[in-house]
Amino acid sequence: EAGVAQSPRYKIIEKRQSVAFWCNPISGHATLYWYQQILGQGPKLLIQFQNNGVVDDSQLPKDRFSAERLKGVDSTLKIQPAKLEDSAVYLCASTPSGGAYEQYFGPGTRLTVT
Amino acid sequence: GNSVTQMEGPVTLSEEAFLTINCTYTATGYPSLFWYVQYPGEGLQLLLKATKADDKGSNKGFEATYRKETTSFHLEKGSVQVSDSAVYFCALSEGGSSNTGKLIFGQGTTLQVKP
Repeated sequence: EAGVAQSPRYKIIEKRQSVAFWCNPISGHATLYWYQQILGQGPKLLIQFQNNGVVDDSQLPKDRFSAERLKGVDSTLKIQPAKLEDSAVYLCASTPSGGAYEQYFGPGTRLTVT
Repeated sequence: GNSVTQMEGPVTLSEEAFLTINCTYTATGYPSLFWYVQYPGEGLQLLLKATKADDKGSNKGFEATYRKETTSFHLEKGSVQVSDSAVYFCALSEGGSSNTGKLIFGQGTTLQVKP
């Protein structure tokens, strides 16, 4: 069974530029999560989707971050414009449904903003 | 709000030593508790979990018991190997009807095992 796929794996941009990350969850998984992991910290949830609807985006900085999950399968996370403090690893995870199920994580996208 | 606190790292041990990584949590209700591990160059993966008080999660020689009275979920292993070197994250998800599966993570503890 294929795991969670993410691309790109690495991205370096200058501040005020825009960037987009892509995630393809495990086939059949209804729930998709985006986490931000700043160096030396644990991952923090940015947004959670159930199929193509948003369940929780309370910690998403909506003035610069946006995310969508069209057709309830793959998802895109965008930052526009980027700030230095956005440098982090962006993790995508999926699970068959919400609740205390194991979340399967992708390898992450490491973003460096200079 | 809900939170997870882990012991500071790095933790450096010799092979075959006993491991304990402390984890305490603050949460309302009855959360589920998890340990995730991140090996060098790899993604996060679930190590073990417990969904109710007094449950013991175990996997690959690691164990952790859900202690509601002390709000703790300490990770233990009797004899570590070099291959256990990784970053370990304690996490919780809210319990009951409000459980969306959202994970709240601790800051992570780096374990280094020397031969």
